[in-house]
Parts: sequence; C-alpha cells; structure tokens
Amino acid sequence: AQSVTQLDSHVSVSEGTPVLLRCNYSSSYSPSLFWYVQHPNKGLQLLLKYTSAATLVKGINGFEAEFKKSETSFHLTKPSAHMSDAAEYFCVVSVLAGNKLTFGGGTRVLVKP
Amino acid sequence: GAGVSQSPSNKVTEKGKDVELRCDPISGHTALYWYRQSLGQGLEFLIYFQGNSAPDKSGLPSDRFSAERTGGSVSTLTIQRTQQEDSAVYLCASSKGSPGNTIYFGEGSWLTVV
Repeated sequence: AQSVTQLDSHVSVSEGTPVLLRCNYSSSYSPSLFWYVQHPNKGLQLLLKYTSAATLVKGINGFEAEFKKSETSFHLTKPSAHMSDAAEYFCVVSVLAGNKLTFGGGTRVLVKP
Repeated sequence: GAGVSQSPSNKVTEKGKDVELRCDPISGHTALYWYRQSLGQGLEFLIYFQGNSAPDKSGLPSDRFSAERTGGSVSTLTIQRTQQEDSAVYLCASSKGSPGNTIYFGEGSWLTVV
C-alpha cells in the first residue's frame, strides 16, 4: 500500500520570496513521484516527476523537488514566487506498472503582492 | 489527439437521472484512470483500465457507478440514478502504463445534480 501526506493544507508567501511545499510518502516499493498544479477551474498540470534517476528534479516554471529516500520526502520548492503560482498543488505517488495514483490532500498556495 | 479530451465539460442534471461522461485518452496510451474531485474531499480514485486486463474497480463508490472502455481507447463513466452527493468534477487521465510514465489529465467534467 502507498500513501502521501502533504504537511500543509495552506501556504501563504509574498511575491519574490521562496516557496516550500512539503510532501512525505510511504510505499512498499520504489515509487514514482509527481507534483501537479491545479489553477482555479482548470485541470491538473504536471510540474515535475521523479522516476529513480536524478534525485533533484527540475520542472516547469522554476519549480524543483528533491527525492530523499531516507526521509521519505519529496518536497517542492521555488526560489522566488510569482503571482501566477497561486494555485493548488498535489503530490502524487505511483508504484508498480501503471498502478492507480495516490494523491496527497493538496496544498493551496496564496501569493501576496 | 493532443491531450486527454473529456465531454461534456459541464453537466447539470436532475436527481434520479442517469448521466454519461466521456473520456478520449491520448492516442497510444494503454492506461486510463477516472478520478473524482469533490469540494473538501480531495481527489478520489474511481477506476483504472490497463490494456486488456480486467479493470480495477475498487474505487467505485456504489453500484450506481460503472465504466467501460471500448476498443482500448474511449471510456465512458456512467452514473445511474444520480444523487446530489455525486456533484463533483470527474477527471480522466491516461498514460503509457509503465512505471514513471507521465500521467496526463483532462480538464474534467463538472457535474451538478440538482
């Protein structure tokens, strides 16, 4: 069985400051991990994914995430928040061939001017 | 197609009516997923199709929900005798089906039961 915990349901940052979204997972097997973003009334867009290659993964829009097996974490960061980053972010784990995805509860990001 | 296509994008239906939601995955994708996103409930797994294998239906909330995937491509999610608690966004996604393959989501079908 697998599970994902996003440690913060809401994060508020000022424009131009760093963003940190925390994600911890549990999995019996080597997982694939993803971060998705959902803007209001929009579908889910992939930001980045980890699939057992480099542990530091770079994604779109300046986001990156680091896979830390010892801490079972996959935290998402961005050095400088932009107003357009205001959205909900989901950490997702998948194991085995095409198995169903397990979503975290989501983190809603508010960016203040 | 270029992406996962879902229809209708919005549907308002009366309680007790049946609805069908359609998903057209990316061409060549063998894996297809249905999820439900309700206000305050997060994303809930419904059903998963992988090639010709028997679907994983473990997430369907009741026997009013069913889904099929014809010819390994288009999928239809059917909700019979809709209830107000069925109001949600129904998201379809597809992938090539191997571990780590990117999973692409459609824009969703917004269902409102009145």
